[in-house]
Amino acid sequence: EVQLLESGGDLVQPGGSLRLSCAASGFTFSNYAMNWVRQAPGKGLEWVSTISGSGLSTYYADSVKGRFTISRDNSKNTLYLQMNSLRVEDTAVYYCAKGTVSGRHFSGCDYWGQRTLVTVSS
Amino acid sequence: QSALTQPASVSGSPGQSITISCTGTSSDVGGHNYVSWYQQHPGKAPKLMIYDVSNRPSGVSDRFSGSKSGNTASLTISGLQAEDEADYYCSSYTSSNTLVFGGGTKLTVL
Repeated sequence: EVQLLESGGDLVQPGGSLRLSCAASGFTFSNYAMNWVRQAPGKGLEWVSTISGSGLSTYYADSVKGRFTISRDNSKNTLYLQMNSLRVEDTAVYYCAKGTVSGRHFSGCDYWGQRTLVTVSS
Repeated sequence: QSALTQPASVSGSPGQSITISCTGTSSDVGGHNYVSWYQQHPGKAPKLMIYDVSNRPSGVSDRFSGSKSGNTASLTISGLQAEDEADYYCSSYTSSNTLVFGGGTKLTVL
């Protein structure tokens, strides 16, 4: 059974940093791209970032480029999102999500974690 | 990275069919066959219903189908059921190597 377990969400001041983690199990982690998607309170889904299965290719939304870094440790089956220079508008629940098709960088997200809450406020 | 355009709400009666549209540009929906659709119930994680325009993941009811014409993708739900009431989001790969979501559509089953 595929499981994705996020952690690391917290209350942080504007300008601060946070690192989210997503522990994966139930599939061959290195074969699949992984994604971070967020949802602000009462709002729609917003794609944040994608990383290829090997970790060599990364992609970012303009809203986070230069501030967020996606990475993965395939030996630990874990996905990360390092978030720096946080802004009030980064407040959201953050989901990690597994790519659907093995080997493809973009193919929809067929499994999602239970989410972790990031609140940026002074 | 402008969001894809979806109707804010649609409604239908049990047993009917409804269609939700998702309009983009030639740089996203129209230029690639990489449109996905998600169902989200309140307080829950999204669920993938359709990927690559018209492919259904295993376990998803065949009442859900996807299609695309030009810059507009569509999700059709046939034989509407009470449990289909949820928010629906489309997403598309873009020529800039990014993903973009639609604003979401609230489906009400009357």
